[in-house]
Amino acid sequence: GESVGLHLPTLSVQEGDNSIINCAYSNSASDYFIWYKQESGKGPQFIIDIRSNMDKRQGQRVTVLLNKTVKHLSLQIAATQPGDSAVYFCAENRNFNKFYFGSGTKLNVKP
Amino acid sequence: GAGVSQTPSNKVTEKGKYVELRCDPISGHTALYWYRQSLGQGPEFLIYFQGTGAADDSGLPNDRFFAVRPEGSVSTLKIQRTERGDSAVYLCASSPLAGTDTQYFGPGTRLTVL
Repeated sequence: GESVGLHLPTLSVQEGDNSIINCAYSNSASDYFIWYKQESGKGPQFIIDIRSNMDKRQGQRVTVLLNKTVKHLSLQIAATQPGDSAVYFCAENRNFNKFYFGSGTKLNVKP
Repeated sequence: GAGVSQTPSNKVTEKGKYVELRCDPISGHTALYWYRQSLGQGPEFLIYFQGTGAADDSGLPNDRFFAVRPEGSVSTLKIQRTERGDSAVYLCASSPLAGTDTQYFGPGTRLTVL
């Protein structure tokens, strides 16, 4: 069946290094994607989004790359900080109103 | 401004009981969404409102689940005859408009059914 998934459930990085979190999607009709950060006990927090007519979008310390050919999405975090430790989800908009979430990647930032 | 708020933050109930979970969206947001998140999983879509009407309730697992938004702002998710499998965090999100608009999430209500 169609799904949004992540390659790695847990990612550990050293403080100051760059982090890359990956996400695969299988519905070629999806036209909008969001990366969310979720800290323990909190709701998902919007990080950055990208529409299917783009292949790259940059924010503050974060970059999202979209490769529609292989249906792959990645989130790059520059100079990772301890405060970046959280679970990261990619969400895929398929049916105009619904977002489908992957199971998440836990990012551990080691000081 | 104020974000999405949800009450209660935690709810413990016994199997078979009825519960109501409340969501206050961001002021002016016309679209409101309910999701359910089990431990270690991403949020799972339940229902979406555009204004007062439920535009898509295809994610509700069964007829024990129902949600309302009578005045187009506050929404209540209602669960009848709760089961242990209903235990999860119930998240609410709102967005200015429906469709491809960023959804802003509340902190969630953690429901535990004993």
